[in-house]
Amino acid sequence: GAGVSQSPSNKVTEKGKDVELRCDPISGHTALYWYRQSLGQGLEFLIYFQGNSAPDKSGLPSDRFSAERTGGSVSTLTIQRTQQEDSAVYLCASSLGGTLYQNIQYFGAGTRLSVL
Amino acid sequence: EDKVVQSPLSLVVHEGDTVTLNCSYEVTNFRSLLWYKQEKKAPTFLFMLTSSGIEKKSGRLSSILDKKELFSILNITATQTGDSAIYLCAVEPEYGNKLVFGAGTILRVKS
Repeated sequence: GAGVSQSPSNKVTEKGKDVELRCDPISGHTALYWYRQSLGQGLEFLIYFQGNSAPDKSGLPSDRFSAERTGGSVSTLTIQRTQQEDSAVYLCASSLGGTLYQNIQYFGAGTRLSVL
Repeated sequence: EDKVVQSPLSLVVHEGDTVTLNCSYEVTNFRSLLWYKQEKKAPTFLFMLTSSGIEKKSGRLSSILDKKELFSILNITATQTGDSAIYLCAVEPEYGNKLVFGAGTILRVKS
């Protein structure tokens, strides 16, 4: 596609439910990133995939959060047993992966998650 | 811990004014500094800076990096209401590709 596509754009769920957020990166981009943006705060890194390498999960806040990337393209971020503090906008980005300008990250419009 | 601090947190100006947004950083290693504009949800890329003293320019927007003093500025001249947005500064540490973001500057341009 022309840009990074995320779905759903909005998700309202009840505390304790599991949610899945989807990201479809720009075609040809080997690197994919997930960030979280809470109200009034900057983007917080969650996880990074690069090609077939093991993902960098260092930003995941708890073991309730997981992500996978199938076939080197689409990625799914799963939050189990959601809590109210998980409410935020979840942004996905992709890049060509490489040096300098090849690493510019392009963002999707995000999924706004509200946990009631 | 790597850190990016932006100032001011917010500002309101009138159309035609010139604004300067600030970004200071502390990182163990440094590869690049990036500026993004966030209007609704998706941050859109503005500039990538890697070398000190070289101004990047795009229309009314320009940016420069000082690697000695560890800061960058983003200038917007002749502001328009369409410039109203959150401006995000991020640093890419050399050892990894994740970006470290500041909290952003909320700019509102009044007509």
